Amino acid sequence: DQQVKQNSPSLSVQEGRISILNCDYTNSMFDYFLWYKKYPAEGPTFLISISSIKDKNEDGRFTVFLNKSAKHLSLHIVPSQPGDSAVYFCAANFPGNQFYFGTGTSLTVIP
Amino acid sequence: GAGVSQTPSNKVTEKGKYVELRCDPISGHTALYWYRQSLGQGPEFLIYFQGTGAADDSGLPNDRFFAVRPEGSVSTLKIQRTERGDSAVYLCASRLGLGLTDTQYFGPGTRLTVL
Repeated sequence: DQQVKQNSPSLSVQEGRISILNCDYTNSMFDYFLWYKKYPAEGPTFLISISSIKDKNEDGRFTVFLNKSAKHLSLHIVPSQPGDSAVYFCAANFPGNQFYFGTGTSLTVIP
Repeated sequence: GAGVSQTPSNKVTEKGKYVELRCDPISGHTALYWYRQSLGQGPEFLIYFQGTGAADDSGLPNDRFFAVRPEGSVSTLKIQRTERGDSAVYLCASRLGLGLTDTQYFGPGTRLTVL
C-alpha cells in the first residue's frame, strides 16, 4: 500500500516559468517531509524539507508547502531552469526513522 | 571527503546465486540505510543501522535478505538464492545521526540483474 503518492509521472515546463510538483500521503503520523532530486545513474540528492508543524519552507528558488488537513504537499520551483530537469521524489519520515518515498515525477524544463 | 560509495555499480547474476552488495558511508555517519528501487518506483525502505546494530529491518522482504555492519562503517547487503524479482537498483544512504534534520546522503546504487 503506497503511503506516499505522486500522481503525475511527468511534467514539462518552459524555462523561467513555475514548476509545481505534487505529493499526497495517507499516514497522519508522518512528522517530516522531504523532496529529493535524482539525475540518471546517480542517487537521490536532498533538496528541501519541511516539518509537520510548519506549512511553508523556502530555500532560494524552491518552496515546499504543506497542507496537513489535506495530507498534501507541493514543491514550487521558480523560475524553472533547464538544469532542474530530473526526477523528483517526495518522501515522508515516520517516527522511528523510516522513510517512505513516492514514485517520482520526471520534470523536464524546456529551454 | 567522498560521498557514499557502492560497489559494484552493476551486478548480473543467475537465478539461485548468492550476491553481496557493499556500501561505504560518509566517514563519521552513524546511521546507514538500505533501499531497493524497482523500475518506475521510488526507493523502498529495507533496513537501517544505527552504529553496528540493525535498528529496524522490517523492510527486508524475506529471509533471503540479510545485512550487516560489523564495525559501524561499511555495510554489506546479502541476498541468498536470488530470484528474478530481486532485480532492482539497491541504494544505500548514510546520515550523521538520527535527528529529523540529519540529511540522508545517497550513493549511486548497485543495479542488480538476476537472469
